[in-house]
Amino acid sequence: GQNIDQPTEMTATEGAIVQINCTYQTSGFNGLFWYQQHAGEAPTFLSYNVLDGLEEKGRFSSFLSRSKGYSYLLLKELQMKDSASYLCAVRHAGNMLTFGGGTRLMVKP
Amino acid sequence: DSGVTQTPKHLITATGQRVTLRCSPRSGDLSVYWYQQSLDQGLQFLIQYYNGEERAKGNILERFSAQQFPDLHSELNLSSLELGDSALYFCASGSPNSPLHFGNGTRLTVT
Repeated sequence: GQNIDQPTEMTATEGAIVQINCTYQTSGFNGLFWYQQHAGEAPTFLSYNVLDGLEEKGRFSSFLSRSKGYSYLLLKELQMKDSASYLCAVRHAGNMLTFGGGTRLMVKP
Repeated sequence: DSGVTQTPKHLITATGQRVTLRCSPRSGDLSVYWYQQSLDQGLQFLIQYYNGEERAKGNILERFSAQQFPDLHSELNLSSLELGDSALYFCASGSPNSPLHFGNGTRLTVT
Protein backbone atom coordinates (compact mmCIF):
# COMPACT_ATOMS: atom_id res chain seq x y z
CA GLY A 1 0.00 0.00 0.00
CA GLN A 2 0.90 3.64 -0.14
CA ASN A 3 1.50 5.72 2.97
CA ILE A 4 2.17 9.45 2.88
CA ASP A 5 2.36 11.43 6.12
CA GLN A 6 2.47 15.15 6.71
CA PRO A 7 1.44 17.32 9.67
CA THR A 8 -2.22 18.26 9.77
CA GLU A 9 -1.79 21.91 10.70
CA MET A 10 0.95 24.50 11.08
CA THR A 11 0.98 28.15 12.07
CA ALA A 12 3.62 30.71 11.14
CA THR A 13 4.12 34.46 11.19
CA GLU A 14 4.07 36.76 8.19
CA GLY A 15 7.61 37.32 6.90
CA ALA A 16 8.96 34.17 8.52
CA ILE A 17 10.14 30.84 7.07
CA VAL A 18 8.21 27.60 7.46
CA GLN A 19 9.15 24.02 6.61
CA ILE A 20 6.46 21.44 5.88
CA ASN A 21 7.66 17.85 6.10
CA CYS A 22 6.42 14.81 4.22
CA THR A 23 7.41 11.16 4.68
CA TYR A 24 6.34 8.42 2.35
CA GLN A 25 6.35 4.68 1.81
CA THR A 26 5.15 3.66 -1.63
CA SER A 27 5.48 0.76 -4.02
CA GLY A 28 7.74 2.28 -6.62
CA PHE A 29 8.77 5.90 -6.81
CA ASN A 30 8.76 8.18 -9.80
CA GLY A 31 8.77 11.65 -8.33
CA LEU A 32 7.36 13.75 -5.52
CA PHE A 33 5.12 16.75 -6.04
CA TRP A 34 3.96 19.60 -3.88
CA TYR A 35 0.67 21.34 -4.53
CA GLN A 36 -1.00 24.34 -2.93
CA GLN A 37 -4.75 24.30 -2.41
CA HIS A 38 -6.90 27.16 -1.15
CA ALA A 39 -10.18 26.10 0.41
CA GLY A 40 -12.73 25.02 -2.20
CA GLU A 41 -10.33 25.56 -5.07
CA ALA A 42 -8.27 23.34 -7.34
CA PRO A 43 -4.79 22.22 -6.27
CA THR A 44 -2.08 24.15 -8.09
CA PHE A 45 1.36 22.73 -8.84
CA LEU A 46 4.27 24.14 -6.84
CA SER A 47 7.28 21.88 -7.28
CA TYR A 48 8.57 18.52 -8.43
CA ASN A 49 11.53 16.44 -7.22
CA VAL A 50 12.64 13.20 -8.80
CA LEU A 51 16.32 13.24 -7.77
CA ASP A 52 17.76 13.86 -4.32
CA GLY A 53 18.46 17.44 -3.43
CA LEU A 54 16.97 20.89 -3.32
CA GLU A 55 14.84 22.53 -6.02
CA GLU A 56 14.37 26.27 -5.64
CA LYS A 57 11.63 28.32 -7.22
CA GLY A 58 11.40 31.87 -5.93
CA ARG A 59 10.10 31.88 -2.36
CA PHE A 60 9.44 28.14 -2.50
CA SER A 61 11.98 25.33 -2.27
CA SER A 62 11.50 21.59 -2.08
CA PHE A 63 13.93 18.93 -0.90
CA LEU A 64 13.95 15.19 -1.48
CA SER A 65 15.83 12.29 0.09
CA ARG A 66 14.79 9.07 -1.62
CA SER A 67 16.78 6.84 0.73
CA LYS A 68 14.92 8.30 3.71
CA GLY A 69 11.53 8.55 2.01
CA TYR A 70 11.46 12.19 3.03
CA SER A 71 10.70 15.54 1.50
CA TYR A 72 10.07 19.05 2.73
CA LEU A 73 8.62 22.22 1.30
CA LEU A 74 10.23 25.45 2.46
CA LEU A 75 8.32 28.70 2.20
CA LYS A 76 10.27 31.92 2.75
CA GLU A 77 9.10 35.48 3.39
CA LEU A 78 5.64 34.26 4.24
CA GLN A 79 2.71 36.30 3.05
CA MET A 80 -0.88 36.20 4.26
CA LYS A 81 -1.92 34.77 0.89
CA ASP A 82 0.24 31.70 1.60
CA SER A 83 -2.43 30.55 4.07
CA ALA A 84 -3.63 27.38 2.35
CA SER A 85 -3.29 23.61 2.41
CA TYR A 86 -0.07 22.13 1.06
CA LEU A 87 -0.33 18.67 -0.43
CA CYS A 88 2.52 16.22 -0.79
CA ALA A 89 2.00 13.64 -3.54
CA VAL A 90 4.06 10.72 -4.76
CA ARG A 91 4.00 9.37 -8.30
CA HIS A 92 4.48 5.63 -8.22
CA ALA A 93 3.74 2.47 -10.18
CA GLY A 94 1.51 3.00 -13.22
CA ASN A 95 2.01 6.77 -13.19
CA MET A 96 -0.43 7.02 -10.30
CA LEU A 97 -0.29 10.03 -8.01
CA THR A 98 -1.18 9.43 -4.37
CA PHE A 99 -1.70 12.39 -2.07
CA GLY A 100 -1.05 12.85 1.60
CA GLY A 101 -3.77 14.35 3.74
CA GLY A 102 -2.41 17.85 3.35
CA THR A 103 -1.00 20.40 5.80
CA ARG A 104 -3.17 23.40 6.58
CA LEU A 105 -0.89 26.41 7.00
CA MET A 106 -2.15 29.51 8.77
CA VAL A 107 -0.08 32.65 8.38
CA LYS A 108 -0.65 35.23 11.11
CA PRO A 109 0.26 38.92 11.06
CA ASP B 1 -6.05 28.61 -15.89
CA SER B 2 -4.90 24.97 -15.85
CA GLY B 3 -6.45 24.13 -19.21
CA VAL B 4 -8.56 21.35 -17.66
CA THR B 5 -12.28 22.01 -17.93
CA GLN B 6 -14.87 20.47 -15.66
CA THR B 7 -18.63 20.79 -15.84
CA PRO B 8 -20.88 21.45 -14.09
CA LYS B 9 -19.36 23.59 -11.31
CA HIS B 10 -22.13 22.78 -8.89
CA LEU B 11 -24.63 19.95 -8.72
CA ILE B 12 -27.41 19.48 -6.20
CA THR B 13 -29.40 16.28 -6.30
CA ALA B 14 -31.35 13.90 -4.10
CA THR B 15 -30.38 10.56 -2.63
CA GLY B 16 -30.86 7.66 -5.00
CA GLN B 17 -30.31 9.76 -8.10
CA ARG B 18 -27.64 9.45 -10.80
CA VAL B 19 -25.34 12.21 -12.07
CA THR B 20 -22.64 12.58 -14.70
CA LEU B 21 -19.58 14.77 -14.27
CA ARG B 22 -17.60 15.81 -17.31
CA CYS B 23 -13.93 16.64 -17.85
CA SER B 24 -11.94 17.87 -20.81
CA PRO B 25 -8.17 17.45 -20.38
CA ARG B 26 -5.48 19.92 -21.35
CA SER B 27 -4.55 19.89 -25.00
CA GLY B 28 -1.99 17.16 -25.60
CA ASP B 29 -2.62 15.27 -22.36
CA LEU B 30 -3.69 11.67 -22.84
CA SER B 31 -4.22 10.78 -19.17
CA VAL B 32 -7.22 11.73 -17.10
CA TYR B 33 -7.48 11.17 -13.36
CA TRP B 34 -10.50 11.51 -11.09
CA TYR B 35 -10.22 12.42 -7.40
CA GLN B 36 -12.78 12.85 -4.65
CA GLN B 37 -12.31 15.36 -1.84
CA SER B 38 -14.77 15.34 1.03
CA LEU B 39 -14.98 18.31 3.39
CA ASP B 40 -11.63 18.97 5.08
CA GLN B 41 -10.27 15.70 3.72
CA GLY B 42 -7.42 14.84 1.41
CA LEU B 43 -7.68 13.95 -2.25
CA GLN B 44 -8.78 10.35 -2.72
CA PHE B 45 -7.83 8.76 -6.01
CA LEU B 46 -10.74 7.17 -7.84
CA ILE B 47 -9.64 6.12 -11.31
CA GLN B 48 -7.20 6.86 -14.14
CA TYR B 49 -7.59 6.61 -17.90
CA TYR B 50 -4.94 6.79 -20.57
CA ASN B 51 -5.88 7.29 -24.20
CA GLY B 52 -9.29 5.73 -23.70
CA GLU B 53 -8.27 2.78 -21.56
CA GLU B 54 -8.55 2.31 -17.82
CA ARG B 55 -5.08 2.34 -16.30
CA ALA B 56 -5.54 2.30 -12.54
CA LYS B 57 -8.31 2.07 -10.02
CA GLY B 58 -8.33 3.44 -6.51
CA ASN B 59 -11.03 3.17 -3.85
CA ILE B 60 -13.83 3.70 -6.31
CA LEU B 61 -17.24 2.43 -5.26
CA GLU B 62 -19.11 -0.01 -7.48
CA ARG B 63 -21.86 2.62 -7.78
CA PHE B 64 -19.34 4.85 -9.57
CA SER B 65 -18.04 4.33 -13.08
CA ALA B 66 -16.06 6.33 -15.60
CA GLN B 67 -14.94 6.30 -19.19
CA GLN B 68 -12.71 8.22 -21.53
CA PHE B 69 -13.93 8.89 -25.04
CA PRO B 70 -11.99 8.98 -28.35
CA ASP B 71 -11.76 12.79 -28.13
CA LEU B 72 -10.11 12.22 -24.70
CA HIS B 73 -12.80 13.86 -22.64
CA SER B 74 -13.92 11.80 -19.66
CA GLU B 75 -17.12 11.31 -17.72
CA LEU B 76 -17.59 10.12 -14.15
CA ASN B 77 -20.97 8.56 -13.44
CA LEU B 78 -22.24 8.40 -9.88
CA SER B 79 -25.40 6.39 -9.23
CA SER B 80 -27.64 5.51 -6.28
CA LEU B 81 -26.29 8.59 -4.60
CA GLU B 82 -25.97 8.74 -0.83
CA LEU B 83 -25.49 11.70 1.50
CA GLY B 84 -21.86 10.68 2.00
CA ASP B 85 -21.14 11.14 -1.68
CA SER B 86 -21.34 14.90 -1.21
CA ALA B 87 -17.86 16.14 -2.04
CA LEU B 88 -15.69 18.03 -4.49
CA TYR B 89 -14.80 15.89 -7.50
CA PHE B 90 -11.65 16.89 -9.31
CA CYS B 91 -10.42 15.84 -12.68
CA ALA B 92 -6.74 16.16 -13.55
CA SER B 93 -4.81 15.54 -16.71
CA GLY B 94 -1.16 14.91 -17.37
CA SER B 95 1.60 13.43 -19.42
CA PRO B 96 4.50 11.18 -18.37
CA ASN B 97 7.15 13.02 -16.35
CA SER B 98 5.02 16.12 -15.98
CA PRO B 99 2.85 17.29 -13.07
CA LEU B 100 -0.88 16.76 -13.03
CA HIS B 101 -2.98 19.82 -13.70
CA PHE B 102 -6.36 20.02 -12.03
CA GLY B 103 -9.69 21.36 -13.14
CA ASN B 104 -11.73 23.62 -10.87
CA GLY B 105 -13.82 20.70 -9.68
CA THR B 106 -17.50 19.87 -9.45
CA ARG B 107 -19.12 20.42 -6.08
CA LEU B 108 -21.74 17.73 -5.57
CA THR B 109 -24.35 18.12 -2.86
CA VAL B 110 -26.65 15.19 -2.18
CA THR B 111 -29.73 16.07 -0.12
